[in-house]
Amino acid sequence: AQKVTQAQTEISVVEKEDVTLDCVYETRDTTYYLFWYKQPPSGELVFLIRRNSFDEQNEISGRYSWNFQKSTSSFNFTITASQVVDSAVYFCALSEKSTDKLIFGTGTRLQVFP
Amino acid sequence: EAGVVQSPRYKIIEKKQPVAFWCNPISGHNTLYWYLQNLGQGPELLIRYENEEAVDDSQLPKDRFSAERLKGVDSTLKIQPAELGDSAVYLCASSLVGGETEAFFGQGTRLTVV
Repeated sequence: AQKVTQAQTEISVVEKEDVTLDCVYETRDTTYYLFWYKQPPSGELVFLIRRNSFDEQNEISGRYSWNFQKSTSSFNFTITASQVVDSAVYFCALSEKSTDKLIFGTGTRLQVFP
Repeated sequence: EAGVVQSPRYKIIEKKQPVAFWCNPISGHNTLYWYLQNLGQGPELLIRYENEEAVDDSQLPKDRFSAERLKGVDSTLKIQPAELGDSAVYLCASSLVGGETEAFFGQGTRLTVV
């Protein structure tokens, strides 16, 4: 069965610090898709990135970067030089090709203090 | 391009009353999801549609919840009768092609049952 674990419930940092949000997943499929979403206080889930299981290349987008490692079943998200606007709950999600079901982890609340 | 639109944003009802939520997905998106999100938790899938067919409703409490997606576009989720434990945020999302592609979420409907 597919599962997503975000062990960090809450993280607090001071502005300009780097922070890494962990995501560990479980699946029996060889083809699957991983996602990160941001949920700011307004409540709407905002899509950040999608990765398929055959593409382990790390990705950088501005201050955001993602490290996908199949060997450890992890898809970690790093924010460099964090800003107050990064304060939100971040969700990691997994979809298996066989079930097409998109499931979410429990989220990590990030608080960035000025 | 318009995003996923949900209404109402907020709803307060007394227990045992019926309630309905409406969702208009992104144009051209075949897949539509309804999720439930409790406070401090990740979204949990209730039902997934491919066009007008409900392909995964295994998590939908069918004794009181029902959903429909007429003509494969708009969708409604209904609860009858509502219970105190149904208080949560109900999220609608759509994606182009199932779980392979990223899902885009509406702002959600916050339901309070008193």
